[in-house]
Amino acid sequence: QQPVQSPQAVILREGEDAVINCSSSKALYSVHWYRQKHGEAPVFLMILLKGGEQKGHEKISASFNEKKQQSSLYLTASQLSYSGTYFCGTAIKAAGNKLTFGGGTRVLVKP
Amino acid sequence: SAVISQKPSRDICQRGTSLTIQCQVDSQVTMMFWYRQQPGQSLTLIATANQGSEATYESGFVIDKFPISRPNLTFSTLTVSNMSPEDSSIYLCSVEDRGSITDTQYFGPGTRLTVL
Repeated sequence: QQPVQSPQAVILREGEDAVINCSSSKALYSVHWYRQKHGEAPVFLMILLKGGEQKGHEKISASFNEKKQQSSLYLTASQLSYSGTYFCGTAIKAAGNKLTFGGGTRVLVKP
Repeated sequence: SAVISQKPSRDICQRGTSLTIQCQVDSQVTMMFWYRQQPGQSLTLIATANQGSEATYESGFVIDKFPISRPNLTFSTLTVSNMSPEDSSIYLCSVEDRGSITDTQYFGPGTRLTVL
């Protein structure tokens, strides 16, 4: 079942913050976050495994709630290079290593 | 992470023809995946390709339309058969990277297919 991402799109000025959410109706095994720039392949950002986990990558961080049904990606003090489409990919234990991707969130950071 | 290449990077094909896309990895990997990304859309898994066994297809995708080969641990091909304009998409392969804690996937650069 496809996870639900919100918002679908966000426009930011450089230095502003944004939050992207990824929700599932079932408890997840893991959440994987990717960023895809136009015409390029998705690039892996980070993976979350444990309920309550928080993880960071430069000024991009993510959390996984205790019930393991929601993950949030935080863009802090955004830079122009953060523009792109962000996807969450979710895995459930029963499905092995298959990822199901959310619909994506388009982020545009303006000067 | 593994370095993944795909050939061709793009192609324009006539309806009714077939195209084979190659995915090459610079290290041995157990699992490879093929995805389709239609314009402006998310990533949809077509099939999982393990070396030495038949590919496992997702609902809505069939072997006759998307035959897959996985002859060794560094290479796979996806064929898009009897193409129609609806097959115009980006096709991406990904490989599973077995980390110390868990596994994630890394994507190749993709093949942009246009069917006329």
